[in-house]
Amino acid sequence: GENVEQHPSTLSVQEGDSAVIKCTYSDSASNYFPWYKQELGKRPQLIIDIRSNVGEKKDQRIAVTLNKTAKHFSLHITETQPEDSAVYFCAASTNAGGTSYGKLTFGQGTILTVHP
Amino acid sequence: GAVVSQHPSWVICKSGTSVKIECRSLDFQATTMFWYRQFPKQSLMLMATSNEGSKATYEQGVEKDKFLINHASLTLSTLTVTSAHPEDSSFYICSATTSRTGRYTEAFFGQGTRLTVV
Repeated sequence: GENVEQHPSTLSVQEGDSAVIKCTYSDSASNYFPWYKQELGKRPQLIIDIRSNVGEKKDQRIAVTLNKTAKHFSLHITETQPEDSAVYFCAASTNAGGTSYGKLTFGQGTILTVHP
Repeated sequence: GAVVSQHPSWVICKSGTSVKIECRSLDFQATTMFWYRQFPKQSLMLMATSNEGSKATYEQGVEKDKFLINHASLTLSTLTVTSAHPEDSSFYICSATTSRTGRYTEAFFGQGTRLTVV
C-alpha cells in the first residue's frame, strides 16, 4: 500500500519568514495530494491540494509543488503569521474509484510554530 | 462546502461498555466514508473504509469485532467501539467522499470524537 513520509516533524519560524514542508510517497499510482491544517482537538481543514496533472498550484500565501518523477511534493507558506501555527499533514490518494474512493494516506505531520 | 457532522464530540464511558459514534453527511450523499483514529501528537491512522450497503473494509491490525462499522445509508455511517478499554481512548474522526459531484476527490471531515474510557 501507499506510504507517505513527511519532514520535518517540527518547524519553528519567525513571523514573516517562509515555511516549507516536504513529503514523499511510494505509490506511483497516487494522483491526488491534499494538505491539511489541524488545530488542537479539531478536524483537519483542507488548505490546498494538487492533482498529478499539474506541477504547481498557488493560493495567496500558500503553494504546493509536485514532482511525480521523484514522488515528492512540498507545501510552501510565505509571509507566515502566528495564526499559521498548527499541525500540517500531507496526504496522498489514488483516485481510482471503486470501493476505496478518496482513501487518504497521511504523512506523520509537522508542528509549525510561528513566533511573533 | 460540504458538511460532515460527527457526534458526539466527546464521550466518557466505563471500561467494558460500548460507545456509538455517528458520522453524517448533511448536504451530499457520501458514497464512501472513512474512519480514522488519532493519538495525541500523531497522525491520522485509517481504521476502515465503509461503503453504503456493504461491509466495511478494515485496515490490517484493526479488530473488526471490536470496531463495528455500519453504513446503512448514503448519509450516515456509525462506528461502535465494543467492550471499550482504556487503551481505546483516542480521537476518532470520520471523513466522507462522494463520486457524485464535481468535487469528487476531496474528503470532508467530521469534527471528531474524543473518547475517554475510564
